[in-house]
Amino acid sequence: EAQVTQNPRYLITVTGKKLTVTCSQNMNHEYMSWYRQDPGLGLRQIYYSMNVEVTDKGDVPEGYKVSRKEKRNFPLILESPSPNQTSLYFCASSLGGQDTQYFGPGTRLTVL
Amino acid sequence: AQSVTQLDSHVSVSEGTPVLLRCNYSSSYSPSLFWYVQHPNKGLQLLLKYTSAATLVKGINGFEAEFKKSETSFHLTKPSAHMSDAAEYFCVVSDWLYAGGTSYGKLTFGQGTILTVHP
Repeated sequence: EAQVTQNPRYLITVTGKKLTVTCSQNMNHEYMSWYRQDPGLGLRQIYYSMNVEVTDKGDVPEGYKVSRKEKRNFPLILESPSPNQTSLYFCASSLGGQDTQYFGPGTRLTVL
Repeated sequence: AQSVTQLDSHVSVSEGTPVLLRCNYSSSYSPSLFWYVQHPNKGLQLLLKYTSAATLVKGINGFEAEFKKSETSFHLTKPSAHMSDAAEYFCVVSDWLYAGGTSYGKLTFGQGTILTVHP
């Protein structure tokens, strides 16, 4: 089944404790991206990747890192999480940047 | 820079009545436009997509949207609402950006419209 998976689905952590949210797709898509969703703000892009080893900042990249060492995986790294990063995070993939995005199920992160 | 404005944060309709969710956009080039739906505690699902072919686009579950370039609008409609349509809807514009000799698409989401359907 074609899908985007994220792990974990739910995470509660404390300020400053490094964490990684994994994202994997099995559709051989070149384009992957991370979004955060906050009430009243819609989805805002954090980082995107056009292909392996090619990543760039989205609209709200501060406090986040990404890597794209393999085509299928695009982990999101929070080196030192802060409470303002409490949010719902979505990973998405597509053939290209203007194509239909396929979204993962979301990761609800709470930083205390 | 591209932008998307969803004109209503909440829309409430009765079951069986028409649905209209409004979206205006700005874009430098010829954008692709999308509507996505998010049911409670679920991910986002594509409803429909416009990519410079027919201006009236039909999507899943009886939804359709009309691209009006002169009005820079891409409103979502459905003739008759169903209880299962209750969800949050996002209008999305995708435009081409060019950097370092490479072109790539960038998505911008609207703030979302929550649709409530009353029995």
